[in-house]
This record gives sequence, structure tokens and C-alpha cells, in this order.
Amino acid sequence: LAKTTQPISMDSYEGQEVNITCSHNNIATNDYITWYQQFPSQGPRFIIQGYKTKVTNEVASLFIPADRKSSTLSLPRVSLSDTAVYYCLVGGENDYKLSFGAGTTVTVRA
Amino acid sequence: NAGVTQTPKFQVLKTGQSMTLQCAQDMNHNSMYWYRQDPGMGLRLIYYSASEGTTDKGEVPNGYNVSRLNKREFSLRLESAAPSQTSVYFCAMGAQTGLNTEAFFGQGTRLTVV
Repeated sequence: LAKTTQPISMDSYEGQEVNITCSHNNIATNDYITWYQQFPSQGPRFIIQGYKTKVTNEVASLFIPADRKSSTLSLPRVSLSDTAVYYCLVGGENDYKLSFGAGTTVTVRA
Repeated sequence: NAGVTQTPKFQVLKTGQSMTLQCAQDMNHNSMYWYRQDPGMGLRLIYYSASEGTTDKGEVPNGYNVSRLNKREFSLRLESAAPSQTSVYFCAMGAQTGLNTEAFFGQGTRLTVV
């Protein structure tokens, strides 16, 4: 897996948009970018994955610039229930060694 | 956490005791994983198995052994438990999606070593 760097923590308020940027300068041509969300006392769950440009689902959007050396997870209009740890992983077809790192702790306040 | 079942959910051990954490998946995926998560910390990979019959060390393998019994089951053994192994343990299975692996996690085993 490519090495990733993301902020340790971010604070926000209900209704705001939260953007978490992950740096992955050594991303390989065939690598995908995947984000996971972990609530307290639960295992992480997959939220979004992308290769280039923009991906959107019911939970989040993922923006990937043309050089793919970074990506931004966007959480629109967050609520208290979006308080969680968010992990960025970058890897390809034969990357079975899934290392999650410390992630970004997002705290949403009322 | 559909698809990955961990047993037990809670366990208290005395220092020096041994135990095996069980993990089973019902989705026929090739790869399986064991992680530990200490309070306020991220996940750390202990061991993983890319396919049936293979196992590899992760970031923190010392003090643990694993067995990929078959495609469904991947167990984690503590031969001589130590207080430093007090943690929440998560098992996961991996599905290939496009060119990446998407992991699905179990509900966790909370282990306390006294």
C-alpha cells in the first residue's frame, strides 16, 4: 500500500461541510483510494472508493485531482452522528496488507 | 457487520494464560485479517491471510499466532497472554473490488489481561 498522511483530528459543527485531505505522493498507477469510517466500539466500515476525478454516494463525496497525489473526502452537512474516525487507504490489486494508520478523528459539535 | 462473526465478544484472561479468538466469514472471500485497537488509537494489523493456506505478519505480530483453518475461518492465538495485549481485537475479510480490497469487519472481541 502507498503511504498516506492525513490530519490527526478535525472539529466541526452540525450542518457544516467537513473536508478531510489525504496525501499519497507515491500512489501507483493501478492504485485505488478507499475511505473507511469507524464509530466508537465498532469496526470500520467502507464508505467510498475512487480512482480519479469525483465519486459521490449517499454518505460522502471523494475528490481526486488529476495527479492523484492527494484526495479529499467531503462530508456534506454533518450531524452529531458523523463523529467518527476516518481512514484513508491507497492500494491496488495485490495489496492485501491493509494497514489503517491512525486516521482522522472528526468531532461534530452542536 | 454482516458476514464476519467473532467469538467470544468479551474475555478476561490472567497473565500467562492462553486463548484462541475465532473468526468466521460466510461470504467466500479470499483474504482475512486480524487487528488490534488500543483505546484512542488506530487499528494495527497483527496478521493477515491473502488466501487459504497462506498467512503473513502485519505490523505487530509478536506474541500472536494465526491459523487459516479453511477459507471460512481465521483464528488468532495468544500463547501466553500479557497485560500489554489488553485491547479490542477485530477480524475482517477482504473482497476484491476493482483493483482494490474492501474490508468488512466483525463486531470485535474485547480482551482484558489482568
